[in-house]
Amino acid sequence: QVQLLESGGGVVQPGRSLRLACSASGFTFRSYGMHWVRQAPGKGLEWVAVIWDEGNNKDYTDSAKGRFTISRDNSKNTLYLQMNNLRVEDTAVYYCARTWLGAFDIWGQGTIVTVSS
Amino acid sequence: EIVMTQSPLSLPVTPGEPASISCRSSQSLLHSNGFHCLAWYLQKPGQSPQLLIYLGSNRASGVPDRFSGSGSGTDFTLKISRVEAEDVGVYYCMQSLQTTITFGQGTRLDIK
Repeated sequence: QVQLLESGGGVVQPGRSLRLACSASGFTFRSYGMHWVRQAPGKGLEWVAVIWDEGNNKDYTDSAKGRFTISRDNSKNTLYLQMNNLRVEDTAVYYCARTWLGAFDIWGQGTIVTVSS
Repeated sequence: EIVMTQSPLSLPVTPGEPASISCRSSQSLLHSNGFHCLAWYLQKPGQSPQLLIYLGSNRASGVPDRFSGSGSGTDFTLKISRVEAEDVGVYYCMQSLQTTITFGQGTRLDIK
């Protein structure tokens, strides 16, 4: 069935890096724009980044610009988020989501990132 | 950035009674294609968000018909005709008119 599965979360010190992955199955991955959305503990949803079908067009929330890089490997049906220079305020559950008609119709289960010294 | 404002932030409801959540955007969400770029999600406790409504008023696949979305321009509403226990969670509206997507703060629905 249609599914997204995130991995790569963990505990990391401020200033370090982490790479998240999102493995897609059950649909033609290359045909969809893909997003990362995060949720800090006890807080609401915050959009992080988007990458469109062939990966040439990307955009980021302001706090991620210059630190995070979204990418995709359509041959592996996988979405990535490279996070550098992590800050305490990046602590969150990170979800990948598929975009369809302007909405996020499929979400992964999330991966937890904790930035702490 | 388009700011999304939901109300109320907390909504206690008796089972079987209706419920309504408002979402206002800081600018019109009407796309040049004639559709409104507004979606609604429900995040049940301990789960990932799930899509309820897209393009302002279209129910997503598998969503019960007691859920409905309406509105235009900057004012949108999610209505539940008869609340059930399984509807508990946090409801979010989201705009995708701009590439920098923004969500409302969330409305927590609880059962009285």
